[in-house]
Amino acid sequence: EAEVAQSPRYKITEKSQAVAFWCDPISGHATLYWYRQILGQGPELLVQFQDESVVDDSQLPKDRFSAERLKGVDSTLKIQPAELGDSAMYLCASSRTGPGNTIYFGEGSWLTVV
Amino acid sequence: AQSVTQLGSHVSVSEGALVLLRCNYSSSVPPYLFWYVQYPNQGLQLLLKYTTGATLVKGINGFEAEFKKSETSFHLTKPSAHMSDAAEYFCAVGSGGSNYKLTFGKGTLLTVNP
Repeated sequence: EAEVAQSPRYKITEKSQAVAFWCDPISGHATLYWYRQILGQGPELLVQFQDESVVDDSQLPKDRFSAERLKGVDSTLKIQPAELGDSAMYLCASSRTGPGNTIYFGEGSWLTVV
Repeated sequence: AQSVTQLGSHVSVSEGALVLLRCNYSSSVPPYLFWYVQYPNQGLQLLLKYTTGATLVKGINGFEAEFKKSETSFHLTKPSAHMSDAAEYFCAVGSGGSNYKLTFGKGTLLTVNP
Protein backbone atom coordinates (compact mmCIF):
# COMPACT_ATOMS: atom_id res chain seq x y z
CA GLU A 1 0.00 0.00 0.00
CA ALA A 2 1.39 3.39 -1.02
CA GLU A 3 2.28 5.74 1.81
CA VAL A 4 3.17 9.37 2.38
CA ALA A 5 6.87 9.50 3.21
CA GLN A 6 8.32 12.07 5.59
CA SER A 7 11.77 12.81 6.93
CA PRO A 8 13.30 13.24 9.37
CA ARG A 9 11.09 11.51 11.93
CA TYR A 10 12.68 13.36 14.79
CA LYS A 11 14.61 16.62 14.89
CA ILE A 12 16.07 18.55 17.80
CA THR A 13 17.29 22.02 17.00
CA GLU A 14 18.38 25.06 18.92
CA LYS A 15 16.36 28.23 19.00
CA SER A 16 17.18 30.55 16.07
CA GLN A 17 18.50 27.75 13.89
CA ALA A 18 16.99 26.67 10.59
CA VAL A 19 15.18 23.36 10.13
CA ALA A 20 13.60 21.67 7.13
CA PHE A 21 11.17 18.80 6.65
CA TRP A 22 10.63 16.78 3.49
CA CYS A 23 7.54 15.01 2.21
CA ASP A 24 6.90 12.67 -0.70
CA PRO A 25 3.15 12.19 -1.29
CA ILE A 26 1.39 9.15 -2.67
CA SER A 27 1.98 8.88 -6.39
CA GLY A 28 -0.78 10.55 -8.39
CA HIS A 29 -1.99 12.75 -5.55
CA ALA A 30 -2.05 16.32 -6.80
CA THR A 31 -3.05 17.86 -3.47
CA LEU A 32 -0.50 18.07 -0.67
CA TYR A 33 -1.00 19.43 2.82
CA TRP A 34 1.25 20.38 5.72
CA TYR A 35 -0.41 20.26 9.14
CA ARG A 36 1.04 21.15 12.54
CA GLN A 37 -0.03 19.22 15.62
CA ILE A 38 0.86 20.59 19.03
CA LEU A 39 0.96 17.96 21.76
CA GLY A 40 -2.52 17.22 23.04
CA GLN A 41 -4.31 19.04 20.22
CA GLY A 42 -5.72 18.29 16.80
CA PRO A 43 -3.79 18.97 13.60
CA GLU A 44 -4.07 22.47 12.12
CA LEU A 45 -3.49 23.24 8.46
CA LEU A 46 -0.41 25.29 7.65
CA VAL A 47 -0.33 25.16 3.86
CA GLN A 48 -2.08 23.41 0.98
CA PHE A 49 -0.73 22.81 -2.52
CA GLN A 50 -2.53 21.91 -5.71
CA ASP A 51 0.25 20.56 -7.93
CA GLU A 52 3.03 23.15 -7.53
CA SER A 53 0.75 26.04 -6.56
CA VAL A 54 -0.11 27.20 -3.06
CA VAL A 55 -3.91 27.36 -2.68
CA ASP A 56 -4.09 28.09 1.05
CA ASP A 57 -1.36 29.42 3.31
CA SER A 58 -3.54 31.63 5.46
CA GLN A 59 -2.34 29.99 8.69
CA LEU A 60 1.33 29.80 7.75
CA PRO A 61 3.53 32.18 9.81
CA LYS A 62 5.21 33.61 6.76
CA ASP A 63 7.81 35.59 8.64
CA ARG A 64 9.57 32.35 9.55
CA PHE A 65 7.92 29.51 7.67
CA SER A 66 8.16 28.72 3.99
CA ALA A 67 6.97 25.82 1.88
CA GLU A 68 7.59 24.76 -1.67
CA ARG A 69 6.61 22.04 -4.09
CA LEU A 70 8.66 22.98 -7.10
CA LYS A 71 7.84 20.13 -9.48
CA GLY A 72 4.44 19.35 -8.07
CA VAL A 73 5.58 16.15 -6.43
CA ASP A 74 7.63 16.24 -3.22
CA SER A 75 7.59 19.20 -0.86
CA THR A 76 9.77 20.92 1.72
CA LEU A 77 8.67 22.90 4.76
CA LYS A 78 11.27 25.21 6.26
CA ILE A 79 11.42 27.12 9.52
CA GLN A 80 13.96 29.88 9.98
CA PRO A 81 14.59 30.91 12.67
CA ALA A 82 13.05 28.26 14.87
CA GLU A 83 11.38 29.37 18.09
CA LEU A 84 10.54 27.40 21.23
CA GLY A 85 6.84 27.54 20.35
CA ASP A 86 7.48 25.69 17.10
CA SER A 87 7.97 22.43 18.98
CA ALA A 88 5.29 20.15 17.51
CA MET A 89 4.66 17.33 15.10
CA TYR A 90 4.59 18.36 11.45
CA LEU A 91 2.34 16.13 9.40
CA CYS A 92 2.34 15.88 5.65
CA ALA A 93 -0.73 14.54 3.88
CA SER A 94 -1.91 14.01 0.33
CA SER A 95 -5.09 13.27 -1.58
CA ARG A 96 -6.54 13.08 -5.05
CA THR A 97 -8.09 16.33 -6.16
CA GLY A 98 -11.69 16.98 -5.24
CA PRO A 99 -13.96 17.07 -2.20
CA GLY A 100 -14.71 13.91 -0.28
CA ASN A 101 -11.48 12.14 -1.16
CA THR A 102 -9.58 10.49 1.64
CA ILE A 103 -6.61 12.48 2.90
CA TYR A 104 -3.70 10.19 3.74
CA PHE A 105 -1.16 11.20 6.38
CA GLY A 106 2.49 10.43 6.79
CA GLU A 107 4.11 9.31 10.05
CA GLY A 108 4.99 12.91 10.92
CA SER A 109 8.16 14.75 11.86
CA TRP A 110 8.62 15.58 15.52
CA LEU A 111 10.39 18.88 16.13
CA THR A 112 11.82 19.87 19.49
CA VAL A 113 13.30 23.35 19.77
CA VAL A 114 15.64 23.86 22.72
CA ALA B 1 -16.39 28.25 8.42
CA GLN B 2 -16.44 24.70 9.60
CA SER B 3 -15.67 23.42 13.08
CA VAL B 4 -15.65 20.22 15.07
CA THR B 5 -16.34 19.69 18.75
CA GLN B 6 -15.31 16.45 20.40
CA LEU B 7 -17.04 16.03 23.75
CA GLY B 8 -14.67 14.60 26.31
CA SER B 9 -10.93 14.91 25.95
CA HIS B 10 -10.48 11.59 27.74
CA VAL B 11 -12.70 8.51 27.75
CA SER B 12 -11.91 5.44 29.81
CA VAL B 13 -13.63 2.08 29.31
CA SER B 14 -13.13 -1.48 30.44
CA GLU B 15 -12.07 -4.15 28.00
CA GLY B 16 -15.19 -5.60 26.39
CA ALA B 17 -17.32 -2.53 27.11
CA LEU B 18 -19.00 -0.26 24.59
CA VAL B 19 -16.91 2.54 23.17
CA LEU B 20 -18.70 5.82 22.41
CA LEU B 21 -16.74 8.87 21.25
CA ARG B 22 -18.80 11.97 20.54
CA CYS B 23 -18.38 14.40 17.69
CA ASN B 24 -20.49 17.38 16.68
CA TYR B 25 -19.75 19.49 13.65
CA SER B 26 -20.66 22.83 12.20
CA SER B 27 -20.83 23.21 8.43
CA SER B 28 -22.65 25.51 6.06
CA VAL B 29 -22.76 22.85 3.35
CA PRO B 30 -23.39 19.11 3.41
CA PRO B 31 -20.32 17.82 5.21
CA TYR B 32 -17.76 15.19 4.56
CA LEU B 33 -16.99 13.59 7.92
CA PHE B 34 -14.04 11.50 9.02
CA TRP B 35 -12.67 9.69 12.03
CA TYR B 36 -8.93 9.14 12.31
CA VAL B 37 -6.94 7.23 14.93
CA GLN B 38 -3.46 8.16 16.11
CA TYR B 39 -1.17 5.85 18.05
CA PRO B 40 1.72 7.36 20.04
CA ASN B 41 4.36 9.01 17.89
CA GLN B 42 2.60 8.04 14.68
CA GLY B 43 0.60 9.75 11.97
CA LEU B 44 -3.16 9.61 11.51
CA GLN B 45 -4.86 6.51 10.15
CA LEU B 46 -8.31 6.68 8.63
CA LEU B 47 -10.95 4.70 10.52
CA LEU B 48 -13.99 5.60 8.42
CA LYS B 49 -15.62 8.38 6.46
CA TYR B 50 -19.02 9.65 5.43
CA THR B 51 -19.50 11.41 2.11
CA THR B 52 -22.96 10.57 0.79
CA GLY B 53 -25.43 7.71 0.93
CA ALA B 54 -25.91 5.43 3.89
CA THR B 55 -25.72 7.32 7.16
CA LEU B 56 -24.33 4.37 9.12
CA VAL B 57 -20.72 3.94 8.11
CA LYS B 58 -18.59 0.93 8.99
CA GLY B 59 -14.84 1.25 9.29
CA ILE B 60 -11.80 -0.76 10.22
CA ASN B 61 -11.24 -2.60 13.50
CA GLY B 62 -14.97 -2.96 14.20
CA PHE B 63 -15.71 0.77 14.48
CA GLU B 64 -18.76 2.43 13.02
CA ALA B 65 -20.29 5.91 13.03
CA GLU B 66 -23.69 7.33 12.24
CA PHE B 67 -24.25 10.64 10.49
CA LYS B 68 -27.23 12.45 12.04
CA LYS B 69 -27.93 15.64 10.16
CA SER B 70 -30.64 16.84 12.55
CA GLU B 71 -28.23 16.56 15.47
CA THR B 72 -25.13 17.64 13.48
CA SER B 73 -23.39 14.64 14.99
CA PHE B 74 -21.09 11.86 13.85
CA HIS B 75 -20.43 9.76 16.95
CA LEU B 76 -18.01 6.83 16.80
CA THR B 77 -18.90 3.51 18.41
CA LYS B 78 -17.52 0.03 18.89
CA PRO B 79 -19.52 -2.66 20.66
CA SER B 80 -16.62 -4.23 22.53
CA ALA B 81 -13.38 -2.45 23.39
CA HIS B 82 -10.04 -4.18 23.00
CA MET B 83 -6.79 -3.21 24.64
CA SER B 84 -5.36 -2.40 21.22
CA ASP B 85 -8.01 0.34 20.76
CA ALA B 86 -6.19 2.58 23.24
CA ALA B 87 -5.18 5.63 21.20
CA GLU B 88 -6.16 9.22 20.35
CA TYR B 89 -9.18 9.63 18.10
CA PHE B 90 -9.85 12.66 15.93
CA CYS B 91 -13.06 13.68 14.24
CA ALA B 92 -12.71 15.89 11.17
CA VAL B 93 -14.96 17.72 8.74
CA GLY B 94 -13.97 18.23 5.11
CA SER B 95 -14.71 21.44 3.31
CA GLY B 96 -16.24 21.42 -0.13
CA GLY B 97 -15.13 23.42 -3.09
CA SER B 98 -11.81 23.67 -4.81
CA ASN B 99 -9.69 24.04 -1.67
CA TYR B 100 -10.73 20.78 -0.08
CA LYS B 101 -9.19 20.37 3.37
CA LEU B 102 -9.92 18.87 6.79
CA THR B 103 -10.69 20.74 10.00
CA PHE B 104 -10.03 18.60 13.08
CA GLY B 105 -11.43 18.45 16.56
CA LYS B 106 -9.11 18.52 19.57
CA GLY B 107 -9.16 14.77 19.92
CA THR B 108 -10.32 12.21 22.48
CA LEU B 109 -7.85 9.98 24.25
CA LEU B 110 -9.29 6.50 24.74
CA THR B 111 -7.88 4.32 27.48
CA VAL B 112 -8.94 0.69 27.87
CA ASN B 113 -8.68 -0.91 31.28
CA PRO B 114 -8.16 -4.65 31.67
